[in-house]
Amino acid sequence: EPEVTQTPSHQVTQMGQEVILRCVPISNHLYFYWYRQILGQKVEFLVSFYNNEISEKSEIFDDQFSVERPDGSNFTLKIRSTKLEDSAMYFCASSATGTNYEQYFGPGTRLTVT
Amino acid sequence: AQTVTQSQPEMSVQEAETVTLSCTYDTSESNYYLFWYKQPPSRQMILVIRQEAYKQQNATENRFSVNFQKAAKSFSLKISDSQLGDTAMYFCAFGTSGTYKYIFGTGTRLKVLA
Repeated sequence: EPEVTQTPSHQVTQMGQEVILRCVPISNHLYFYWYRQILGQKVEFLVSFYNNEISEKSEIFDDQFSVERPDGSNFTLKIRSTKLEDSAMYFCASSATGTNYEQYFGPGTRLTVT
Repeated sequence: AQTVTQSQPEMSVQEAETVTLSCTYDTSESNYYLFWYKQPPSRQMILVIRQEAYKQQNATENRFSVNFQKAAKSFSLKISDSQLGDTAMYFCAFGTSGTYKYIFGTGTRLKVLA
């Protein structure tokens, strides 16, 4: 069964550094998402992406964040200058169609900012 | 604001018994969707069951069923004949037409005891 994959599984970075989290969505899916979960808190929506542009973003997704689909398979989340409060689990998801269709989640990347 | 609340941070159940996980939500929307996702330890979230708000019949998937009470804005998950493989974090999630994001609860950690 096809799965969403994410790399790395754990990323440690120093405050102020740039990080890129990578995701490979399911191959025939058209919609892509990033969510994050700070330890002990809710899973929160960050951004959705379709047809090479952002279709929706939350207030969390400020200018420090960007997303890109650099090729036909990868979907990346970049944090330009990490802060301590960016430490969280970041989940990538994809869906075949848009609103209210099942989103398939990856295993997550644990980002630790020191 | 739309919210999802899971009031049981942790639960345990004996193997072969039945357990019910609670979820309540708040929305002014009339057209929405509800989901239960399961996240086994160190694995990705997978969809367990979904319910469309316009359907009066409760969704069922094998040993998993929901009790959807629209007026009360309640969406509980019942797991029958619990198995050790059901041990996981369970997330309730909510989505509406016209938006791509899911809103998640904080999760319930379920442990099935042998």
